[in-house]
Amino acid sequence: DTGVSQNPRHKITKRGQNVTFRCDPISEHNRLYWYRQTLGQGPEFLTYFQNEAQLEKSRLLSDRFSAERPKGSFSTLEIQRTEQGDSAMYLCASSADSYNYGYTFGSGTRLTVV
Amino acid sequence: AQSVSQHNHHVILSEAASLELGCNYSYGGTVNLFWYVQYPGQHLQLLLKYFSGDPLVKGIKGFEAEFIKSKFSFNLRKPSVQWSDTAEYFCAVNPTGGKSTFGDGTTLTVKP
Repeated sequence: DTGVSQNPRHKITKRGQNVTFRCDPISEHNRLYWYRQTLGQGPEFLTYFQNEAQLEKSRLLSDRFSAERPKGSFSTLEIQRTEQGDSAMYLCASSADSYNYGYTFGSGTRLTVV
Repeated sequence: AQSVSQHNHHVILSEAASLELGCNYSYGGTVNLFWYVQYPGQHLQLLLKYFSGDPLVKGIKGFEAEFIKSKFSFNLRKPSVQWSDTAEYFCAVNPTGGKSTFGDGTTLTVKP
């Protein structure tokens, strides 16, 4: 499978716990994006990387959220001290350098905070 | 900041009907525009894109979209829908080469 891979597919956690998600992009793609999607809404931007550099982070993003992309390959998104409002689908996408190629999305990680 | 508006939240059509889904964006400069589709149980995938040239662009499965700069619009069309077109459709704008901003989507239900 040469698409974007996200793990786990589903995560149920108790409020206050930390969670970490992983994204493996298409190997030739330098750019990697994290979005969050809730029911009835479109994907909401969280952050993105070009290679290992984090180029932008949403101002709406709490400091409980952090993302890394060591060595410019896979990426992790960590949420500390989860809250019920963090329950959502977390989407990862990748693209080539040029922004007119569009994104290739993964299947997402569905987080439920109980 | 840019924004994207999709006015139709839910559209219901019979097979063979024509489809037009609206998308308007707010941004004054040069933009790249996209339509993505999410079929039931599947991930988002690119349907078509515009970045320059002919404002009428064609995508997969018979879809097309027209960029009208003066109206800040990028509407999606298909002359004759099929039951298999039932899905959620998202419009997105990328003006800066960084992130894309997505609309809230339109759910299309095609009745057989």
